[in-house]
Amino acid sequence: QKEVEQNSGPLSVPEGAIASLNCTYSDRGSQSFFWYRQYSGKSPELIMSIYSNGDKEDGRFTAQLNKASQYVSLLIRDSQPSDSATYLCAVLPNAGNNRKLIWGLGTSLAVNP
Amino acid sequence: DGGITQSPKYLFRKEGQNVTLSCEQNLNHDAMYWYRQDPGQGLRLIYYSQIVNDFQKGDIAEGYSVSREKKESFPLTVTSAQKNPTAFYLCASSPHGAGANVLTFGAGSRLTVL
Repeated sequence: QKEVEQNSGPLSVPEGAIASLNCTYSDRGSQSFFWYRQYSGKSPELIMSIYSNGDKEDGRFTAQLNKASQYVSLLIRDSQPSDSATYLCAVLPNAGNNRKLIWGLGTSLAVNP
Repeated sequence: DGGITQSPKYLFRKEGQNVTLSCEQNLNHDAMYWYRQDPGQGLRLIYYSQIVNDFQKGDIAEGYSVSREKKESFPLTVTSAQKNPTAFYLCASSPHGAGANVLTFGAGSRLTVL
């Protein structure tokens, strides 16, 4: 059973701090990794995608991938109250035509003013 | 603006009734998906379609049906056979090739069975 695990939280950080969200996955052959943000009552929206080991930065967001350790993380610098949401990790377990992403249950983040 | 339109946003249904949720996209994406989201259970795949006139069951297809007669449209019917249909339903799409598996979601349809 392929799995993606996230700490459900809530993760609470003060405004301006760095929020660190983690995700581990069970399928060592996984190829593609995604972070989505979901506000309460809304649909998910893509924050970052990452495919290679290392860091990928986009504005205040940095995704980190370590395939050897089978984890992917999302760092949010200078956290803002508007970042308060649930962050979903999604993993594509193998290459080819399989389009069935495996989703984590999400980590709830609260940024306190 | 390109995007995915789901309707209705809210829907109430009596037990025993079939309902159809609409999903239309103008992103020219090849693949479309239906997910169900329940509190504490994350996103679960119901059906997906990679091309017109073809679709595959996801992890929880029982009690649901879909069609893909046009590239732009992927309606989901929740039948009376679905035991617990109250949920938040999300339609998504993704392109072929570069960007495949990068999903764009619609705003969702919230179904409540009375």
